Amino acid sequence: AQSVTQLDSQVPVFEEAPVELRCNYSSSVSVYLFWYVQYPNQGLQLLLKYLSGSTLVKGINGFEAEFNKSQTSFHLRKPSVHISDTAEYFCAVSDRGNTPLVFGKGTRLSVIA
Amino acid sequence: GAGVSQSPSNKVTEKGKDVELRCDPISGHTALYWYRQSLGQGLEFLIYFQGNSAPDKSGLPSDRFSAERTGGSVSTLTIQRTQQEDSAVYLCASSSRGGGASDTQYFGPGTRLTVL
Repeated sequence: AQSVTQLDSQVPVFEEAPVELRCNYSSSVSVYLFWYVQYPNQGLQLLLKYLSGSTLVKGINGFEAEFNKSQTSFHLRKPSVHISDTAEYFCAVSDRGNTPLVFGKGTRLSVIA
Repeated sequence: GAGVSQSPSNKVTEKGKDVELRCDPISGHTALYWYRQSLGQGLEFLIYFQGNSAPDKSGLPSDRFSAERTGGSVSTLTIQRTQQEDSAVYLCASSSRGGGASDTQYFGPGTRLTVL
């Protein structure tokens, strides 16, 4: 069975600073990987996903993530954050033969002015 | 509508009562999912519908939980004899095409359930 570990429950960062949100997964099979963002009192929105091909995936709002198979990681990065990036970020994995997503417990990103 | 909608947005109930939560998926989406988001547990898969196939109920935590999807569209999640540990935000998502693992799931805003 798959599992996802988000190593940081909270990440405070100053505006315009870079940020990395870490995600590691555990699976015995090939997987698809996703990052979702949840703004306060809203549903989840897809930031980006890795299906195959290039290991560097670019998403919306200037975010990108790199799939590292040997380290079973899919860390999310942004070179310069804005106040509006304050939200909770969820990493998720899906078995290629099965569709329900398995989520990490989330990382709360707080951008400080 | 343009996105997945859920109703009610908030529900407060007393322990032991039954509740029904509704999800309207994006028009034309064949796959529909229910997840639960609670403090300390993160997001957990509950149940998955794909077209006319039998639903995948492997995530339902107990037999007090059930869901149906009428006409391949609207879905209702029912919790019978609610318990305080059922308090959570219940999220619905839908996806298009075959509902394959690569298809993007679009989430609704959720229903916040509070059991007193």
